[in-house]
Amino acid sequence: SYVLTQPPSVSVAPGQTARITCGGNNIGSKSVHWYQQKPGQAPVLVVYDDSDRPSGIPERFSGSNSGNTATLTISRVEAGDEADYYCQVWDSSSDNYVFGTGTKVTVL
Amino acid sequence: EVQLVESGGGLVQPGGSLRLSCAASGFTFSSYWMSWVRQAPGKGLEWVANIKQDGSEKYYVDSVKGRFTISRDNAKNSLYLQMNSLRAEDTAVYYCARVMSYSSSLLFDYWGQGTLVTVSS
Repeated sequence: SYVLTQPPSVSVAPGQTARITCGGNNIGSKSVHWYQQKPGQAPVLVVYDDSDRPSGIPERFSGSNSGNTATLTISRVEAGDEADYYCQVWDSSSDNYVFGTGTKVTVL
Repeated sequence: EVQLVESGGGLVQPGGSLRLSCAASGFTFSSYWMSWVRQAPGKGLEWVANIKQDGSEKYYVDSVKGRFTISRDNAKNSLYLQMNSLRAEDTAVYYCARVMSYSSSLLFDYWGQGTLVTVSS
């Protein structure tokens, strides 16, 4: 089955840039989606199809995908960005939705 | 405004059954695939099951096949998950999620707040 690997944690100072990676075999050939989950809340879609943002999501959230790594970038990080972030792909070979292992973003 | 509201969670003994419900509003429910996604305490997200708009196709993660059944009632704008033969490892928050199809991929664009299922004696 397809596996997506994320770093367990990323720490960033306010105003700086956070980069969260999502590794998978030839992930660049797939469409990657990203979710933000704050403690005790449901996940929220923040980026879809590698780099598109749903309405209401700040431009500070952006994404890229190439080769074996997809990246979610959060610019000008704010305290409110502290959350767990998950990448996700649709694996058509197994008809499965695959989530990454999740990354906890801590704002210092 | 899209809203998904789950109910039906609770404490159940191993081997027992539970039926989860999800009430949808704010969109044309019958036009969307729908899914259940779960999250064990302190763990990541895991897709559980999904169902086509008219209920004619259903898919499950291997770990719940033969034990869980997803269904829907488009007249009532409701999604269900019948869970039988429950195990301790099924303990999780269960989320109802709307499926969005985009660029040959599938994703979840709206989520409910979740309902907690605890399997314990």
